[in-house]
Amino acid sequence: DARVTQTPRHKVTEMGQEVTMRCQPILGHNTVFWYRQTMMQGLELLAYFRNRAPLDDSGMPKDRFSAEMPDATLATLKIQPSEPRDSAVYFCASGPPWGSTEAFFGQGTRLTVV
Amino acid sequence: DAKTTQPNSMESNEEEPVHLPCNHSTISGTDYIHWYRQLPSQGPEYVIHGLTSNVNNRMASLAIAEDRKSSTLILHRATLRDAAVYYCILRLDSGGGADGLTFGKGTHLIIQP
Repeated sequence: DARVTQTPRHKVTEMGQEVTMRCQPILGHNTVFWYRQTMMQGLELLAYFRNRAPLDDSGMPKDRFSAEMPDATLATLKIQPSEPRDSAVYFCASGPPWGSTEAFFGQGTRLTVV
Repeated sequence: DAKTTQPNSMESNEEEPVHLPCNHSTISGTDYIHWYRQLPSQGPEYVIHGLTSNVNNRMASLAIAEDRKSSTLILHRATLRDAAVYYCILRLDSGGGADGLTFGKGTHLIIQP
């Protein structure tokens, strides 16, 4: 059963610490998305990659957030330094290399910055 | 992305049909209508999408108005497991792979036993 895998599922960290979230997209998918969900803002698109190249990161705070795809099987989202306002659920999704069809979401990483 | 308007919440009874409306009066000719849902503590999941014609799949049906300014997601026989937030999203078909989805507030569907 193909699925997007995110690790860790939960992370509690202190303000100022670096946080790295990882995502394994579905094999064969060439597009990877990072979303953030909070009660106030709902689901926001932070960035996405196609064939490992960043296509759009306009939704991402540039000063502290960075997203990379070291290889086709791993995407990372890093926050350094973390702040309490970064507390949210971060979702990764992947999409197949045809048409404008569905995106498949992972279970999310729940981040709490204290 | 063109904007969609959905009711904040709807309530229905188990085993009855549910019709979830979505207005998208500024839709362009190349926008596809996508529906996703998010179950509690889960990531969003794809439900259905269409362009002009009505569409059916194992999860739901999508009825699209002739002028495409509105659509309705139909769950034929709701179960308690269908309780979720349902998002109606317009998406340009750019080909060559999926583009980012712009989620609104969605409709919180409550199913009563």
